[in-house]
Amino acid sequence: NAGVTQTPKFQVLKTGQSMTLQCAQDMNHNSMYWYRQDPGMGLRLIYYSASEGTTDKGEVPNGYNVSRLNKREFSLRLESAAPSQTSVYFCASRREGVPSYEQYFGPGTRLTVT
Amino acid sequence: DAKTTQPPSMDCAEGRAANLPCNHSTISGNEYVYWYRQIHSQGPQYIIHGLKNNETNEMASLIITEDRKSSTLILPHATLRDTAVYYCIATGDSGYSTLTFGKGTMLLVSP
Repeated sequence: NAGVTQTPKFQVLKTGQSMTLQCAQDMNHNSMYWYRQDPGMGLRLIYYSASEGTTDKGEVPNGYNVSRLNKREFSLRLESAAPSQTSVYFCASRREGVPSYEQYFGPGTRLTVT
Repeated sequence: DAKTTQPPSMDCAEGRAANLPCNHSTISGNEYVYWYRQIHSQGPQYIIHGLKNNETNEMASLIITEDRKSSTLILPHATLRDTAVYYCIATGDSGYSTLTFGKGTMLLVSP
């Protein structure tokens, strides 16, 4: 049981390049989330998906797109990377139940945009 | 989500109890208190949550005051591996169970 996995672990992009961050979970969770964390800051929600086929914007969605490919996978795409998107990106999934704010996080992707 | 206030940093000696406070004076009746921690360079980790009763699990204990305006996370025997940023979150009204992380408390456990 791997939990939440993310690829790649590190990435360096030039301004204007595109890339997709991959996330997968093997816990059969319906809800999945993408966060970013800047140095010295808490996490900020980019997008979330309550179930397969649905996605919604979070606090900081500009410059990002997401795809909920199936129940396991939730990807985050940067179409034209900017230096302001240099950050650590975390994917998470949520355990079902009421109430449940128990989220399980992946190890993160460290992205640098030059 | 109710606003939460935590001290920016705390120190604790290894083997002693670490008591991390959180103020959430505007919490509403249906909001839960959740605690997460983030060890350096890792993703956040769920610790415990509660509504109004005290809770205990294998990681920690959560004490919530009777008026629910504050709570304390207790790590009974802190180890060096407990050095992390601890986040207190008061939430319960989000239809999609999204979390809002503040800056948390940096707990440094020393030998």
